[in-house]
Amino acid sequence: RKEVEQDPGPFNVPEGATVAFNCTYSNSASQSFFWYRQDCRKEPKLLMSVYSSGNEDGRFTAQLNRASQYISLLIRDSKLSDSATYLCVVTPRTGNQFYFGTGTSLTVIP
Amino acid sequence: ETGVTQTPRHLVMGMTNKKSLKCEQHLGHNAMYWYKQSAKKPLELMFVYSLEERVENNSVPSRFSPECPNSSHLFLHLHTLQPEDSALYLCASSQDLSTGELFFGEGSRLTVL
Repeated sequence: RKEVEQDPGPFNVPEGATVAFNCTYSNSASQSFFWYRQDCRKEPKLLMSVYSSGNEDGRFTAQLNRASQYISLLIRDSKLSDSATYLCVVTPRTGNQFYFGTGTSLTVIP
Repeated sequence: ETGVTQTPRHLVMGMTNKKSLKCEQHLGHNAMYWYKQSAKKPLELMFVYSLEERVENNSVPSRFSPECPNSSHLFLHLHTLQPEDSALYLCASSQDLSTGELFFGEGSRLTVL
């Protein structure tokens, strides 16, 4: 079983739409959670960390559900510049790894 | 100056060549990583160094050989690669092992003919 699983998409949404991505993880002892963004032919960059109580950064909201072992990312009022691949990342309580999902592709259409 | 720099950005090599990828981080981080990114697959961790010591080697073929001469430099030596090794190789660093934010270089896109 994969450590982290994401729906690869693609998600094609119109400008202004709200879109949500989910990501599930297999290790219940996972400690830290992140969403990274990767633009086409570029390196991944941290979008936001995911905290237990949920957190918001402008149009972006991240949630963690430890009982069901998933994290989510909600993007409101989508912009063309939000088009990218969104990577879910999980780190275990022990070990040396950041575990990456395959990424979810988002295209925002004018 | 960007935080993590990788050279070369693009590399084409034959199966009998020997080449090296270089990574340098200017962030004062203690941990450095090599990842492989292939199409439709998650990033695959190859090697992890903490304070210049290798702490992880994820069953990577011996044709890939890492070297970490100091805490800010990381190399990946390549020898007798196969076409399926063609991928984007990403270097990253973090303040400490598996904590905080991962900062990536722009990657070295490798094509093996």
